[in-house]
Amino acid sequence: DVKVTQSSRYLVKRTGEKVFLECVQDMDHENMFWYRQDPGLGLRLIYFSYDVKMKEKGDIPEGYSVSREKKERFSLILESASTNQTSMYLCASSSSGTFKNIQYFGAGTRLSVL
Amino acid sequence: KNQVEQSPQSLIILEGKNCTLQCNYTVSPFSNLRWYKQDTGRGPVSLTIMTFSENTKSNGRYTATLDADTKQSSLHITASQLSDSASYICVVSGDDMRFGAGTRLTVKP
Repeated sequence: DVKVTQSSRYLVKRTGEKVFLECVQDMDHENMFWYRQDPGLGLRLIYFSYDVKMKEKGDIPEGYSVSREKKERFSLILESASTNQTSMYLCASSSSGTFKNIQYFGAGTRLSVL
Repeated sequence: KNQVEQSPQSLIILEGKNCTLQCNYTVSPFSNLRWYKQDTGRGPVSLTIMTFSENTKSNGRYTATLDADTKQSSLHITASQLSDSASYICVVSGDDMRFGAGTRLTVKP
């Protein structure tokens, strides 16, 4: 079974803090994605990566950055957390084909910024 | 603008009953359509994936249909169980991927 592991299920941070969300997949997938999920809005793509050290902006990249130094690991960084970044963050991975293949999701990280 | 609209927003049914969830989309070009199930506090899990040429696909008690001409899909759940309580998300892929906001299904005993 594909496993996508997010480092934290719940996080509470203060405004202005730097926040790291980590995601690891064990299926040697080329593509990895970060989404945020808010009630009534569905999943929105923040960033994705199709290869090591490669990254592409999604629909809502502002306030976020990412890092992919190894194929299995994709990190989402909030440089200076703000209250409007309180959300559920989901990481996903898929095999090559970027948007055409099934994505496998992690369990999510619920981030609260106070 | 590429969009995916799901209805209803929420639904409550009794255990053992059937239900149908709807997904309308305007995504173009079209590559495939997927239905995901998301249990509370978990990430989405794929139920079905359909390409342009497929109009029905089943996964146990879940049956998805696709009408690529009218750009509509439905997810039919037969003989519902309490474990079917979840959000069901329609996702349409083309040049990018668009997610619906989901239908929250509650199955009551």
